[in-house]
Amino acid sequence: KAGVTQTPRYLIKTRGQQVTLSCSPISGHRSVSWYQQTPGQGLQFLFEYFSETQRNKGNFPGRFSGRQFSNSRSEMNVSTLELGDSALYLCASSPETRDRKNIQYFGAGTRLSVL
Amino acid sequence: GQQLNQSPQSMFIQEGEDVSMNCTSSSIFNTWLWYKQDPGEGPVLLIALYKAGELTSNGRLTAQFGITRKDSFLNISASIPSDVGIYFCAGQLRTGTASKLTFGTGTRLQVTL
Repeated sequence: KAGVTQTPRYLIKTRGQQVTLSCSPISGHRSVSWYQQTPGQGLQFLFEYFSETQRNKGNFPGRFSGRQFSNSRSEMNVSTLELGDSALYLCASSPETRDRKNIQYFGAGTRLSVL
Repeated sequence: GQQLNQSPQSMFIQEGEDVSMNCTSSSIFNTWLWYKQDPGEGPVLLIALYKAGELTSNGRLTAQFGITRKDSFLNISASIPSDVGIYFCAGQLRTGTASKLTFGTGTRLQVTL
């Protein structure tokens, strides 16, 4: 079974631009979560999507947004990029099993550099 | 954003030595998880713990879910060079149907021959 796939792996943007990152979850997984990883703040939760609906959100400004499609694939968008948005963005999927042991499995991430 | 207190921050050990790291929180979690991250990659799940007091092993790795549900530890026995990496604890709290992971600050492990 293929793992969580994130594209692209690397991105370079300039301040003020916007960016869209993509995540394909493990087949059969219906929940997708996004995290930002920086040296200073560590791993921070951005948001979680299930059945095309955002059901949990972290403490990030409105410039960070996401969506989920009917096939569970997800995208996140960052508008008006700032230098501080440079980070590794990680996507995780989980199966939403009835036993509630919903372990999150991570992709390799997208490394975003804002110049 | 919130991060769990994880210690030690880094460890330099010799091959064959045992390793111990722990994670504490001011909040209760339903699930504790331990992940390992290699450079340029995403975290890979090592062990998942679901009940207070639970002790679980995965090969040379052993982890425990604290009785208070506010802490967890991970032990690695007889370390080998491929154990090098950053280890993260994560607490998971499900509120209704939503869930999110709160991560520890990480323990960087270096193994020397």
